[in-house]
Amino acid sequence: QLELQESGPGLVKPSETLSLTCSVSGGSIINYNYYWGWIRQPPGKGLEWIASIYYSGNTYYSPSLKSRVTISVDTSKNQFSLKLRSVTASDTAVYYCVEMGTTWFFDYWGQGILVTASS
Amino acid sequence: QSALTQPRSVSGSPGQSVTISCTGSSSDVGGHNSVSWYQQHPGKVPKLIFYDVTKRPSGVPDRFSGSKSGNTASLTISGLQAEDEADYYCCSYGGTYTPVVFGGGTRLTVL
Repeated sequence: QLELQESGPGLVKPSETLSLTCSVSGGSIINYNYYWGWIRQPPGKGLEWIASIYYSGNTYYSPSLKSRVTISVDTSKNQFSLKLRSVTASDTAVYYCVEMGTTWFFDYWGQGILVTASS
Repeated sequence: QSALTQPRSVSGSPGQSVTISCTGSSSDVGGHNSVSWYQQHPGKVPKLIFYDVTKRPSGVPDRFSGSKSGNTASLTISGLQAEDEADYYCCSYGGTYTPVVFGGGTRLTVL
């Protein structure tokens, strides 16, 4: 059974960079049938896709966040990561790492990590 | 404002059927068969309940059904049960520029 686990600081100061890592267990991140990604959910609000990546490094970004986001993969550690630069209070959200099928659906989710952007 | 439009809330009594609509455009829902649906109970992680419009992952009751007509996808839940009370989100592939778009979510209340 595939498991995903987010890790990173729960508090980030405005204007700084949010950095999160997702550790994948129960399967290899080198999987021809899946991509890996990040989705966030502000408190009390809906889901927002941020970015996705293939194990080979092909990346896909939300146009609204593209200028501030970098997604990367480390196959040696079976992990992938998210960096979101210049955070503001509106970036406060639960961040989920996800496995994404080739037809753009999200079937495995991490438990989520609440990241608060505040001084 | 979300790219896909869902009703903010729907409700039904136990045993009844409800349908949640998800309206997009020819660039997303209408142009691709990559519509998925997610169920999220309060404080819980979203759960995939449909992908590729009509495909149901194992473990999802067949009381749930998915469909699409034109630019609108629909999730129908028949034989409503108390445990179905949750938020439901639709999602679609949106093309090269905007690969993934979500709906704003629908709160289902079982009366």
